[in-house]
Amino acid sequence: GAGVSQSPSNKVTEKGKDVELRCDPISGHTALYWYRQSLGQGLEFLIYFQGNSAPDKSGLPSDRFSAERTGGSVSTLTIQRTQQEDSAVYLCASSFSGEYNEQFFGPGTRLTVL
Amino acid sequence: KQEVTQIPAALSVPEGENLVLNCSFTDSAIYNLQWFRQDPGKGLTSLLLIQSSQREQTSGRLNASLDKSSGRSTLYIAASQPGDSATYLCAVSYLFQAGTALIFGKGTTLSVSS
Repeated sequence: GAGVSQSPSNKVTEKGKDVELRCDPISGHTALYWYRQSLGQGLEFLIYFQGNSAPDKSGLPSDRFSAERTGGSVSTLTIQRTQQEDSAVYLCASSFSGEYNEQFFGPGTRLTVL
Repeated sequence: KQEVTQIPAALSVPEGENLVLNCSFTDSAIYNLQWFRQDPGKGLTSLLLIQSSQREQTSGRLNASLDKSSGRSTLYIAASQPGDSATYLCAVSYLFQAGTALIFGKGTTLSVSS
């Protein structure tokens, strides 16, 4: 596709359930990032994938959060045993490899935990 | 620890005014700086990217400057229009454990009245 796509666009779940969020990066981009945007916290980095290297998980807020990237393309962010404080917009971005490259963002998934 | 601050948090101007949005960061060890625009309920649109070795970038009515040594960037918007109303986010590319990711300010919400 022309841009980064994410699904679903909205997700409502009950506290304690697991959720999976999907990101499809721009074709040819080897770097993929997950960010979270919540009220009062702004936008914060969660996890970073570069090609087939081990991901940088330094931004993940707890061990309930995990992410994988299959075949160096599509990524899934999984949140286990969701809590109300997990409610936020989860944004995915991709770029060409290298620290100097511009990141392009998807439209986000709005997660609401009841 | 890198922190990004944006001032002002909100700004209201009449149509036609030139305006400046400010961004400051605490650690000058950045790779680049990006300015984004975010419309309510939407994802991020990249406006300008300034590499760490550059001083400014221009796109249409937008001009962004970077003074890395002092930890400052400004986004200048000329002849503002109601369609410019949005939240403007500044982000610096910064080294984490295994790669780089963006650290964001909390944004300036701009309202341009006709």
